Amino acid sequence: SQQGEEDPQALSIQEGENATMNCSYKTSINNLQWYRQNSGRGLVHLILIRSNEREKHSGRLRVTLDTSKKSSSLLITASRAADTASYFCATDGGQGFSFIFGKGTRLLVKP
Amino acid sequence: EPEVTQTPSHQVTQMGQEVILRCVPISNHLYFYWYRQILGQKVEFLVSFYNNEISEKSEIFDDQFSVERPDGSNFTLKIRSTKLEDSAMYFCASSEIRTGGSNSPLHFGNGTRLTVT
Repeated sequence: SQQGEEDPQALSIQEGENATMNCSYKTSINNLQWYRQNSGRGLVHLILIRSNEREKHSGRLRVTLDTSKKSSSLLITASRAADTASYFCATDGGQGFSFIFGKGTRLLVKP
Repeated sequence: EPEVTQTPSHQVTQMGQEVILRCVPISNHLYFYWYRQILGQKVEFLVSFYNNEISEKSEIFDDQFSVERPDGSNFTLKIRSTKLEDSAMYFCASSEIRTGGSNSPLHFGNGTRLTVT
C-alpha cells in the first residue's frame, strides 16, 4: 500500500514566510522521518519522530505527528531561499527493513 | 563527516545490456538499501540488505535485479538486461542499525543517473 503521501505537491512562498507540508500514511508505523532533496542530489535526513511522540523541534523545523489521523506535518519557520528543495516524508510501515517515501513536496522560496 | 559514495554519477547503456551500480556505504553501517527515483516522481524502495542477505525487497526488484556485497566496503546493484523503463536515478543508502523501532536515519549517496537508450 502507498505510504507517505505528501501535500501539497508544490508550494511557493516568499522568504521569511513559514512553509507547512503535510504527510499522510496508511499503516501503523514505528517512526516517521522527513528528508530534504536538493535538485539532482541525494536525500538528506532532517528529523525523525517516533510513534509515541506528538511534536519535535530542530532549529527552524517543527514536526508534528498524529497517529490517530495517520498524518504528520513539517513546518519550516522564517524560510530562506536556501530552503528551496523537495521534502519527503518516509514511514517504516512497522516492519523496519525499509522506509517508504512519497512523491514529496517541492518548495520554492522566493527571495 | 562520513558519507555514502556512489559511482558512476551517470551511466548510459543500451537496452538489454547489463549494468552494475556501485556504492560504498558508511564504514560502520550495517544496513544497506537501494532506492530509485524516476525523474520528478517518488523515491521508490527496491531492496534492503543485512548480514550478507536481502532483508526485504519490493515488487520492482524482480529477477532482473540483484545485489551483492563483494567485499567489506562495496555494495552493488546489478541489472541484468536493462529496459527503457529502468532509466532513473538510483540511490544507495545505509543506516547504522535497523530503522524500524530504532532511531537510525538513512544516509543517502548522491545517486547514479542511469539512462537506457
